[in-house]
Amino acid sequence: GAGVSQSPSNKVTEKGKDVELRCDPISGHTALYWYRQRLGQGLEFLIYFQGNSAPDKSGLPSDRFSAERTGESVSTLTIQRTQQEDSAVYLCASRSLTSGGQETQYFGPGTRLLVL
Amino acid sequence: AQSVTQLGSHVSVSEGALVLLRCNYSSSVPPYLFWYVQYPNQGLQLLLKYTSAATLVKGINGFEAEFKKSETSFHLTKPSAHMSDAAEYFCAVSLPYGNNRLAFGKGNQVVVIP
Repeated sequence: GAGVSQSPSNKVTEKGKDVELRCDPISGHTALYWYRQRLGQGLEFLIYFQGNSAPDKSGLPSDRFSAERTGESVSTLTIQRTQQEDSAVYLCASRSLTSGGQETQYFGPGTRLLVL
Repeated sequence: AQSVTQLGSHVSVSEGALVLLRCNYSSSVPPYLFWYVQYPNQGLQLLLKYTSAATLVKGINGFEAEFKKSETSFHLTKPSAHMSDAAEYFCAVSLPYGNNRLAFGKGNQVVVIP
């Protein structure tokens, strides 16, 4: 079946502009995560969605970052007034949800964002 | 909060030699542990995971890792490196409850020398 897809694959923007990144999770996966990977760094957790529950936004680095998800489908991550330090690869992951949390998170290919 | 330490950002290994990538974790409770591999311009792919069953875990492509609670370690090994093993490898930890978000190490870029 299809994996996690993300669009666009690459995005170049000017400082101060808003950008919107999209994630299509694996069908049937109720949990969805956004992570950020800056150059030379590991992945940083940004936000978590689970069904219709309130999202866990504890990883968002500033109020310029926001994300939405409608039900168990597509999610969008929006960065307002982009700054150069926002340049990174933004990765989305999804997983099915059963008790114990042992299920694997499946990652998309990421969106490479460059803020000039 | 849980965390992972991976030392040595770049690791060079000769083709046919042992691959050893070290991972140490910190967690307040027995965690779940993962190794992911990232090939150029691709997303992360799971190599293997430990979720409180057998401490020696076998994964894809001949990799395995052993969970050692006393050493808080989860080192990744492969007996014989192939050229196709050149990639970036990430160790990650999650708590076995809550949102199971992953905390990643900084990664090891593996270079295989012919």
